[in-house]
Amino acid sequence: AQKVTQAQTEISVVEKEDVTLDCVYETRDTTYYLFWYKQPPSGELVFLIRRNSFDEQNEISGRYSWNFQKSTSSFNFTITASQVVDSAVYFCALSELDSNYQLIWGAGTKLIIKP
Amino acid sequence: GAGVSQSPSNKVTEKGKDVELRCDPISGHTALYWYRQSLGQGLEFLIYFQGNSAPDKSGLPSDRFSAERTGGSVSTLTIQRTQQEDSAVYLCASSDKGGAEAFFGQGTRLTVV
Repeated sequence: AQKVTQAQTEISVVEKEDVTLDCVYETRDTTYYLFWYKQPPSGELVFLIRRNSFDEQNEISGRYSWNFQKSTSSFNFTITASQVVDSAVYFCALSELDSNYQLIWGAGTKLIIKP
Repeated sequence: GAGVSQSPSNKVTEKGKDVELRCDPISGHTALYWYRQSLGQGLEFLIYFQGNSAPDKSGLPSDRFSAERTGGSVSTLTIQRTQQEDSAVYLCASSDKGGAEAFFGQGTRLTVV
């Protein structure tokens, strides 16, 4: 069973639009961690954020914000006023005790920001 | 070093040859991952080392693939009798404890001709 689902394969928006990337996860653990990573066209994977299961507070970092909702098992990522430099593939991941904290990855969402 | 280091950055090999890919994780990191990524695709899990636990090898695609981690530090991924379908970017990542974020190397781009 897929544990991390990123249903949006590709999203294309015009610069300055807001965009939300969805991530739905599945776990039976009460202690787990969720992550978002960015992979720009250059290829390196860049860590963006880590949340633990006990902290449902939303987080904002500049134009980026994350909405963690345990009730819906979702950890969505919103980019406000998108810029061309935000174009990348974004991956959501889950780490849980049952899997010895191995990272379990979503398939990724390709985000295209058009000028 | 400051980050995860992988070598070589690029490798072109002839079909049928063996290759070794090296990963130097961040010092002190107990967890080490190997992934494979084909062009435009997601991350394909290969193997996971965590401390002294037995490695999770469930992602290795065939018995031509093997990996070891010596002294809890450097890891080598070996591909024997390479095939063209092995061509991909091989990524290594490490993290310092369970549940921590993983830091990735720049990858090794393997091309089998």
